[in-house]
Amino acid sequence: AQSVAQPEDQVNVAEGNPLTVKCTYSVSGNPYLFWYVQYPNRGLQFLLKYITGDNLVKGSYGFEAEFNKSQTSFHLKKPSALVSDSALYFCAVRAGYSSASKIIFGSGTRLSIRP
Amino acid sequence: NAGVTQTPKFQVLKTGQSMTLQCAQDMNHEYMSWYRQDPGMGLRLIHYSVGAGITDQGEVPNGYNVSRSTTEDFPLRLLSAAPSQTSVYFCASSYSIAGGYTEAFFGQGTRLTVV
Repeated sequence: AQSVAQPEDQVNVAEGNPLTVKCTYSVSGNPYLFWYVQYPNRGLQFLLKYITGDNLVKGSYGFEAEFNKSQTSFHLKKPSALVSDSALYFCAVRAGYSSASKIIFGSGTRLSIRP
Repeated sequence: NAGVTQTPKFQVLKTGQSMTLQCAQDMNHEYMSWYRQDPGMGLRLIHYSVGAGITDQGEVPNGYNVSRSTTEDFPLRLLSAAPSQTSVYFCASSYSIAGGYTEAFFGQGTRLTVV
């Protein structure tokens, strides 16, 4: 069965510092991995994805994520945090073959950037 | 291009009432799904569909029905509303790529309260 774990309910970072939001996954076969962001009272916005290729993927708003197959992780990172990055972040996974189409989300990590 | 459109945005139901949450997408995506979002629980998959006439259960299907008569529409029916179904509901769609489906595109959500 597919699963995603986001071990931190909340991450607090000072503006200008680097940030990391952790995600580990479990899936049969090759994973397709995604990060989404949700601002208050809004839907989910897609940030970035890993399908295949380079383990470091770059996405919107300066975010990037590193796929680590041996550790089954896909941590979200940003070199310099902004107050406007404060939001709820979700990691998601689906199995990378057409017959297994479900996308499963983690429980979310609230990112708080202090000025 | 409207993307994924959900109606209504807000709804209050009495216990035992039934209703249908509407979802439509204009991107010709094969895959559509419904999630519910509850505090601390992340997004949990209710039902999903990989094409017209094909539906399957997700993680929390009880109390909900779906059908997919067209590629564009994927309504979610609450058969007999219960307070435990108070939640924010999101519809999402995805397109297929070689080897599977890619990221989900989300609607803006329906906030449902059952009293």
